[in-house]
Amino acid sequence: DAKTTQPNSMESNEEEPVHLPCNHSTISGTDYIHWYRQLPSQGPEYVIHGLTSNVNNRMASLAIAEDRKSSTLILHRATLRDAAVYYCILSYNNAGNMLTFGGGTRLMVKP
Amino acid sequence: DGGITQSPKYLFRKEGQNVTLSCEQNLNHDAMYWYRQDPGQGLRLIYYSQIVNDFQKGDIAEGYSVSREKKESFPLTVTSAQKNPTAFYLCASSIKIGGPQHFGDGTRLSIL
Repeated sequence: DAKTTQPNSMESNEEEPVHLPCNHSTISGTDYIHWYRQLPSQGPEYVIHGLTSNVNNRMASLAIAEDRKSSTLILHRATLRDAAVYYCILSYNNAGNMLTFGGGTRLMVKP
Repeated sequence: DGGITQSPKYLFRKEGQNVTLSCEQNLNHDAMYWYRQDPGQGLRLIYYSQIVNDFQKGDIAEGYSVSREKKESFPLTVTSAQKNPTAFYLCASSIKIGGPQHFGDGTRLSIL
């Protein structure tokens, strides 16, 4: 199973950009890279996903390395509401393309 | 508004009892999932369903059972065989299997 590695925690200042890294050296060619975030006592919220090319949406940008062994979630201007646990996950199993969540990165945003 | 509804929000169970957690979605999604989350940990997949009348075991299916008789509903039963059921249970759905998932607000199960 393809696994991901993320730092346990990161800090950012409000209104500054945040780059959240994720390593996935065993990714397969058909695995998508997904990012979710979770606030305390709530279900995770989908943020963004991609396969090979960089992706942008209203919430964030996803930068994927050329060899696809790592990716970075970019929050362009962090707000206090962005404080959450961010999960980088891969689909695995070509038949099912399931998602396995690891421990994630706890992002703290300082005012 | 479309979304996923999990009920109840909090649930208490006596040891030796089965308990069923409800999950309903009105997003017209084919795929549905159940996850378990322990304090400070990530999510672990219990069961998933790609389509009505079909479901598959995830990573930690022992002690749990599910049914998918309707597209909108995917109830999870925590049986007495699950020795450590206290956890936060999350239900999710996606248009197709493996796509971006929408999550409910979860059910917190505790043992009395």
